[in-house]
Amino acid sequence: AQSVTQLDSQVPVFEEAPVELRCNYSSSVSVYLFWYVQYPNQGLQLLLKYLSGSTLVKGINGFEAEFNKSQTSFHLRKPSVHISDTAEYFCAVRVSGGSYIPTFGRGTSLIVHP
Amino acid sequence: DGGITQSPKYLFRKEGQNVTLSCEQNLNHDAMYWYRQDPGQGLRLIYYSQIVNDFQKGDIAEGYSVSREKKESFPLTVTSAQKNPTAFYLCASSISVRGYNEQFFGPGTRLTVL
Repeated sequence: AQSVTQLDSQVPVFEEAPVELRCNYSSSVSVYLFWYVQYPNQGLQLLLKYLSGSTLVKGINGFEAEFNKSQTSFHLRKPSVHISDTAEYFCAVRVSGGSYIPTFGRGTSLIVHP
Repeated sequence: DGGITQSPKYLFRKEGQNVTLSCEQNLNHDAMYWYRQDPGQGLRLIYYSQIVNDFQKGDIAEGYSVSREKKESFPLTVTSAQKNPTAFYLCASSISVRGYNEQFFGPGTRLTVL
């Protein structure tokens, strides 16, 4: 079975600073990886996904993530954050065979200070 | 616009009462899911359905029931057997349960037991 670890439950950062939200996964088979964002009292919205090919994936709102197979990581980055990026971010993994149900991390709360 | 709707947005229930949460999608997706979200716990899968008239238990199905009589609809009933039902409930759908398909989420229903 696969699992996902989001190493930081909360990440405070000042506006216009860079940020990295960390995600590590464990799986014995090939995986598909996703990052979602959740604003307060709303559902989740897809930021980006890695299916195959280039390990650097660009998403919406200026976010990008890099798939590192050897380190089993899929960290999310943004070079300059805005106040509006304050939200909860979830990493999710789905295996390419067997159980198709995604596994979500516990989430990282990004708090952007002015 | 295609999407997922959940109603109501806020729901209050007295202990001992059953309550049904609505989830409708017009994305023509085969797969639908119900998640429960508690602070700091990420998303936990309650039930999922791959096709009409078929559904499977997730990780925390006890005290919940579902039906899938129509492709567009996947209502969740929280029964009086659920010991701690106060939570944020999210419905999601995907084209199929295959791993490379991302999930689309509804806006959620916040259930409070009084």
